[in-house]
Amino acid sequence: QKEVEQNSGPLSVPEGAIASLNCTYSDRGSQSFFWYRQYSGKSPELIMSIYSNGDKEDGRFTAQLNKASQYVSLLIRDSQPSDSATYLCAVIFYNTDKLIFGTGTRLQVFP
Amino acid sequence: EADIYQTPRYLVIGTGKKITLECSQTMGHDKMYWYQQDPGMELHLIHYSYGVNSTEKGDLSSESTVSRIRTEHFPLTLESARPSHTSQYLCASSIQETQYFGPGTRLLVL
Repeated sequence: QKEVEQNSGPLSVPEGAIASLNCTYSDRGSQSFFWYRQYSGKSPELIMSIYSNGDKEDGRFTAQLNKASQYVSLLIRDSQPSDSATYLCAVIFYNTDKLIFGTGTRLQVFP
Repeated sequence: EADIYQTPRYLVIGTGKKITLECSQTMGHDKMYWYQQDPGMELHLIHYSYGVNSTEKGDLSSESTVSRIRTEHFPLTLESARPSHTSQYLCASSIQETQYFGPGTRLLVL
């Protein structure tokens, strides 16, 4: 069973803080990982992808990948109320080409 | 980044009607997908296509059908809509492994 696990939240952080969103996946051979943001009633929009162990930074966002621990995370620095949304982790499992989504973590950033 | 268009954006229709949800992309992506998502719930893949004349069923069983006659166009059809089909339908296309989503169609079947 190919699974992508996320804590559903809500994760509440104050404005300006670092939000840390976590995701684990079941297939050790997975190579491709994605974070999407989805505002209520809207479609998912890609934040970033990561393929190699370590950190990948894009503006206020940093994705972290640890394949040995089967763990990928997303850090949002200087969180803003406009970051309040559901964040979806998605993984392409080894030997497939379908994207498997987690259930998402709802983030609330309060002023 | 892909430009993906879905029409209609909202549709309210009676039971038994035939519906076609349109999805088009302008980037020449070979792979296209349809997902179904209920409010606050996870995404479920219902159909995908790897190119013209290629269609496959996804992980969630669906009474809908799809076609791929042209690269840029991937319509989804429900022959006879039922209230259980009420949901949001999201179309996506991908370049290599990265998927980009259209704005979605919200369907309400009365």
